[in-house]
Amino acid sequence: AQSVTQPDIHITVSEGASLELRCNYSYGATPYLFWYVQSPGQGLQLLLKYFSGDTLVQGIKGFEAEFKRSQSSFNLRKPSVHWSDAAEYFCAVGSYNQGGKLIFGQGTELSVKP
Amino acid sequence: GAVVSQHPSWVICKSGTSVKIECRSLDFQATTMFWYRQFPKQSLMLMATSNEGSKATYEQGVEKDKFLINHASLTLSTLTVTSAHPEDSSFYICSAKGGTSGTLNTGELFFGEGSRLTVL
Repeated sequence: AQSVTQPDIHITVSEGASLELRCNYSYGATPYLFWYVQSPGQGLQLLLKYFSGDTLVQGIKGFEAEFKRSQSSFNLRKPSVHWSDAAEYFCAVGSYNQGGKLIFGQGTELSVKP
Repeated sequence: GAVVSQHPSWVICKSGTSVKIECRSLDFQATTMFWYRQFPKQSLMLMATSNEGSKATYEQGVEKDKFLINHASLTLSTLTVTSAHPEDSSFYICSAKGGTSGTLNTGELFFGEGSRLTVL
């Protein structure tokens, strides 16, 4: 079955500390992988995506993610978190054959301590 | 980047009434749009896939007669929640996928800001 798992429901980090949000997937086809961020009451904003090529992907706002096929993972990282990064983060997987249909993880809520 | 607009951003209605939510692609033609539903503190669940000029494809468990989807043009899809009940209260989000040019045919989507429905 196709699925995306974000093991951490809620993470709290101090401002300036590094961050890693975990994402594991189970998908039959060659996956396209995405990370989205959602502020309270808002829609989703794409942080970064992986289709092919270099497995370390750079995104907006200083985020990066690394695709590890052997581990079926696509973890999101940021070296130094800012208070404005507090939000809900969703990992999602799709494929070209699915024509844009995405499967989302449960989301990880990030809180940032001053 | 591409912009997808949803309207209304929030709506409150009485039980038994119908509510229409619009999803527009403002600067590109969206051959396919997707409707997702998000319960509080939960992830997004795909409800249906809407293709311009054809009937929507609903995911398992989604009532077609309850959630009417119309994709009458390349820039507009509408979701109508018919005879709404309190359990239909949710955050509805649409996304749009463009044509075969650029990166939009490779699975990238552009999301609307969402519409919060509260049924009293």
